[in-house]
Amino acid sequence: GESVGLHLPTLSVQEGDNSIINCAYSNSASDYFIWYKQESGKGPQFIIDIRSNMDKRQGQRVTVLLNKTVKHLSLQIAATQPGDSAVYFCAETPLNTPLVFGKGTRLSVIA
Amino acid sequence: AAGVIQSPRHLIKEKRETATLKCYPIPRHDTVYWYQQGPGQDPQFLISFYEKMQSDKGSIPDRFSAQQFSDYHSELNMSSLELGDSALYFCASSLGVGDTQYFGPGTRLTVL
Repeated sequence: GESVGLHLPTLSVQEGDNSIINCAYSNSASDYFIWYKQESGKGPQFIIDIRSNMDKRQGQRVTVLLNKTVKHLSLQIAATQPGDSAVYFCAETPLNTPLVFGKGTRLSVIA
Repeated sequence: AAGVIQSPRHLIKEKRETATLKCYPIPRHDTVYWYQQGPGQDPQFLISFYEKMQSDKGSIPDRFSAQQFSDYHSELNMSSLELGDSALYFCASSLGVGDTQYFGPGTRLTVL
């Protein structure tokens, strides 16, 4: 069936480096994508979103890139900090249907 | 800013017991969603409500039911609890179907 997945289950980066977390999706009808950050024992926290009519969106220290040709989504975190350590999920929703979450990527920041 | 409120935060039940989880959405949000997250898993959509009507249904067991009330809060009722129901249960709310979902802190349910 349709699914959203992540390429890597874990990612370790040095503090201050940039992080890139990738996500592949298979539902070409998806028109809205969201990145969530989840710390241990907490609920998913909205980071940034992007609609299918865009290919890039920037927030504070974060950038989301969308490549609809290859159905690929990425989250870039600039100057990664220890507080960025968490599990990151991408999620998609095609045409106002429920969110489909991908498998999370655990980001570990090495001080 | 006000966030989604869930209660209780922790709940311990025995097998075959019932449980009720509550969710209070962000003020003015009219859509609520329920998710179940097992250990090391991604959140799985259970059910959602828009303006007090069920809007979508996911992998919610028949033993579970939910509703949204006139003040937009929602309750997830779980009966005949099984060991496999042990999980984090999240509620999310949005301003309309398809808008950004904001999650609550979750309820950790442990079934013994």
